[in-house]
Amino acid sequence: KQEVTQIPAALSVPEGENLVLNCSFTDSAIYNLQWFRQDPGKGLTSLLLIQSSQREQTSGRLNASLDKSSGRSTLYIAASQPGDSATYLCAYQDSGAGSYQLTFGKGTKLSVIP
Amino acid sequence: DVKVTQSSRYLVKRTGEKVFLECVQDMDHENMFWYRQDPGLGLRLIYFSYDVKMKEKGDIPEGYSVSREKKERFSLILESASTNQTSMYLCASSLSGGGALGETQYFGPGTRLLVL
Repeated sequence: KQEVTQIPAALSVPEGENLVLNCSFTDSAIYNLQWFRQDPGKGLTSLLLIQSSQREQTSGRLNASLDKSSGRSTLYIAASQPGDSATYLCAYQDSGAGSYQLTFGKGTKLSVIP
Repeated sequence: DVKVTQSSRYLVKRTGEKVFLECVQDMDHENMFWYRQDPGLGLRLIYFSYDVKMKEKGDIPEGYSVSREKKERFSLILESASTNQTSMYLCASSLSGGGALGETQYFGPGTRLLVL
């Protein structure tokens, strides 16, 4: 079974800092990689989806990159705000025929201190 | 906006009870999924469905069954609830299968189930 690892498990930063969350995966035959945000006790919200043919995607202050050869993805958050405090999960969809499943990492819990 | 709703936010049941968790999506999505989320274990796929009346086992189907009689509704059934099924249950849907450009999954708010 493929694995997705997210390091660190938790991160605390002061407001205004730029930060990077890391995601590594063992299977380079991915179809896409996605980043989600989860607020406490809530469901997941999709942030960015990177197709296997792409290198990065941007949405506002968020930038996600994908390096298939090294099995890594990063989520960059610029000028962090207290409202960014949440757990961030990455997940990949593999490229097997008819594959619908996402494989999730365990997440990085981010706290942005005012 | 895609909306995925789950029938209950919190549920308390007793060991041995039959439990139904309902999920409804309003965007005509083909695929629907049930996950459970536990501290230290992350999200694990229980079952998914890629069409009406079609279902596939995920990583941890034991002790669960599912039903998809209509496209918009996907039910998770705990045949005889046990304490180790206490968890957060998340439903998700996506537009189409792996042959497309890669569709994101849209999640419901979750049902926190406590089995006593």
